[in-house]
Amino acid sequence: DTEVTQTPKHLVMGMTNKKSLKCEQHMGHRAMYWYKQKAKKPPELMFVYSYEKLSINESVPSRFSPECPNSSLLNLHLHALQPEDSALYLCASSQGRQGRNTEAFFGQGTRLTVV
Amino acid sequence: DAKTTQPTSMDCAEGRAANLPCNHSTISGNEYVYWYRQIHSQGPQYIIHGLKNNETNEMASLIITEDRKSSTLILPHATLRDTAVYYCIVRVGAGGTSYGKLTFGQGTILTVHP
Repeated sequence: DTEVTQTPKHLVMGMTNKKSLKCEQHMGHRAMYWYKQKAKKPPELMFVYSYEKLSINESVPSRFSPECPNSSLLNLHLHALQPEDSALYLCASSQGRQGRNTEAFFGQGTRLTVV
Repeated sequence: DAKTTQPTSMDCAEGRAANLPCNHSTISGNEYVYWYRQIHSQGPQYIIHGLKNNETNEMASLIITEDRKSSTLILPHATLRDTAVYYCIVRVGAGGTSYGKLTFGQGTILTVHP
């Protein structure tokens, strides 16, 4: 199983709403990532969790709040977003620093629209 | 992580080999070359990676020059389903201090024609 599952696939939210994006993998990977991708642009790294601890935050605004409840799950909590935050949000996972294989597997993304 | 330079777009005829170049002249000794692709509206898909030796798997071949300043991804028999954006990325391998960062450049839009 090389699958990273993201839910929901599509999300429309108002600027005052609170919502969460979910990501799940069962490959035993210990590194998990959130990326943001605007139309016709490459994915941009937001956060990296390594062994359930936040290891990289690419200066992401606090209205995006990541959470890693356990080694299989990664959440992205959203609050008070702006229309410019509308994008495809991608989750990825990889074995982690101690693993021999370093390739990352990506989910299909959540397409977020902020109205 | 070292920056990469790729052509903006390339065309290829179906059934022919697609050769996608990538320049990474500032690559460090402990940085690997990775290739991913992204088919429209899907998540990026891992293709192949290498350090200094040429690599081959069921999807593609990766040719890295001896000085490691450039590489070429080869899709030996391109199909219409290979139409995608191809990203060349250099990053530190497992255990490196900046291991977690997988930074995408602009990539090459490959269009395979019938």
